[in-house]
Amino acid sequence: EIVLTQSPATLSLSPGERATLSCRASQSVRSYLAWYQQKPGQTPRLLIYDTSNRATGVPDRFSGSGSGTDFTLTISSLEPEDFAVYYCQQRSNWPPLTFGGGTKVEMK
Amino acid sequence: QVQLVQSGAEVKKPGASVKISCKASGYNFNAYFMNWVRQAPGQGLEWMGIIDPSGGTTSYAQRFQGRVTVTRDTSTSTVYMELSSLRSEDTAVYYCARDHLGSWSYFDFWGQGTLVTVSS
Repeated sequence: EIVLTQSPATLSLSPGERATLSCRASQSVRSYLAWYQQKPGQTPRLLIYDTSNRATGVPDRFSGSGSGTDFTLTISSLEPEDFAVYYCQQRSNWPPLTFGGGTKVEMK
Repeated sequence: QVQLVQSGAEVKKPGASVKISCKASGYNFNAYFMNWVRQAPGQGLEWMGIIDPSGGTTSYAQRFQGRVTVTRDTSTSTVYMELSSLRSEDTAVYYCARDHLGSWSYFDFWGQGTLVTVSS
């Protein structure tokens, strides 16, 4: 089973700042990694898939990069609605499909 | 538009079973695998299993093997997830989630979630 480790656990930033979130895999997932956003009381939302492809309707301030075992989600300039928990997920090696433990982006 | 509508909240006693439904609409039901993902209170996301609606083939996370069964009814475009031998640690919100690329990929549309509470 591929284990995904996200860091940091919590990121405290102000609106307008750049957010950089990390996801590290226990073995290579090639480019088969996605990112989700989840706000309190809401279902997760697919943001990025296959490392760098934005899902439908996702603003271009969200971008993904990486390959193999190290991946990054970057939010170029935080908007108030971006404060949420972000999860990575791999589809390279299954079953199971696995998620990271999440990074909470909170307002400073 | 794609919609996944799940059945309502459940309260169960330890040792019991629960069966949750997920009715799909707005797309070709047979063309996209359906997943089940759960989230315990204040915790992260955990994948449980998957079904190919066209053929009924399933696969489950090892930790749920023997306790989880996913089925489908193509006549009503509904997927079901049954979890047996419930324990308090199974208290969670259970989501169905459509596979984004068709099979074994990501989750683009989610049901609203079904809260299952296991308590004596």
